[in-house]
Amino acid sequence: DAGVTQSPTHLIKTRGQQVTLRCSPKSGHDTVSWYQQALGQGPQFIFQYYEEEERQRGNFPDRFSGHQFPNYSSELNVNALLLGDSALYLCASSPGAGVPEQYFGPGTRLTVT
Amino acid sequence: GENVEQHPSTLSVQEGDSAVIKCTYSDSASNYFPWYKQELGKRPQLIIDIRSNVGEKKDQRIAVTLNKTAKHFSLHITETQPEDSAVYFCAATHSGGGADGLTFGKGTHLIIQP
Repeated sequence: DAGVTQSPTHLIKTRGQQVTLRCSPKSGHDTVSWYQQALGQGPQFIFQYYEEEERQRGNFPDRFSGHQFPNYSSELNVNALLLGDSALYLCASSPGAGVPEQYFGPGTRLTVT
Repeated sequence: GENVEQHPSTLSVQEGDSAVIKCTYSDSASNYFPWYKQELGKRPQLIIDIRSNVGEKKDQRIAVTLNKTAKHFSLHITETQPEDSAVYFCAATHSGGGADGLTFGKGTHLIIQP
């Protein structure tokens, strides 16, 4: 049973560019959440997707957007990258329908230069 | 919104001793409190969780207690072992309200001294 997977593992981008990160949830899970983890900090909630809709959003600007596909996989897009966007981006999946346990993927390390 | 405070930021204990990490939360509507363990360069791993209708939960050497009145919850690790060394995060959310994004504490770096 595959757990949560994310791609790519690492990414280096230049300020002002755009980036797309991908996540496949654990088998049987239909809800995907995205988090940003800066070095030495706890993960910060970006948004959560269920039934292809964004159903909750954290305190992140509109430069951060997402999408969920019919197979429950998800993308995180970040436009107009800033140096401060450098972080580990974590995807977590949960079974949905009010079951709150979230299981994390290995993350994508984004470096903005 | 929810705010989670976690203490201490670093905890060093002798192998075999117990470790306790404490968290407080601000939103009285929060009803789900997970704990994650993150080893260097790895993903956060869910190690134990507790819901607001329960005061204590145990799983082998780890236990979590919840005091809803005081809005705090704690992680207890007994008979610590070298493999317990990691960063531990507490989190909180209101589950069942339509969405359950987690609010995390800043983490506790647990060091097990041989």
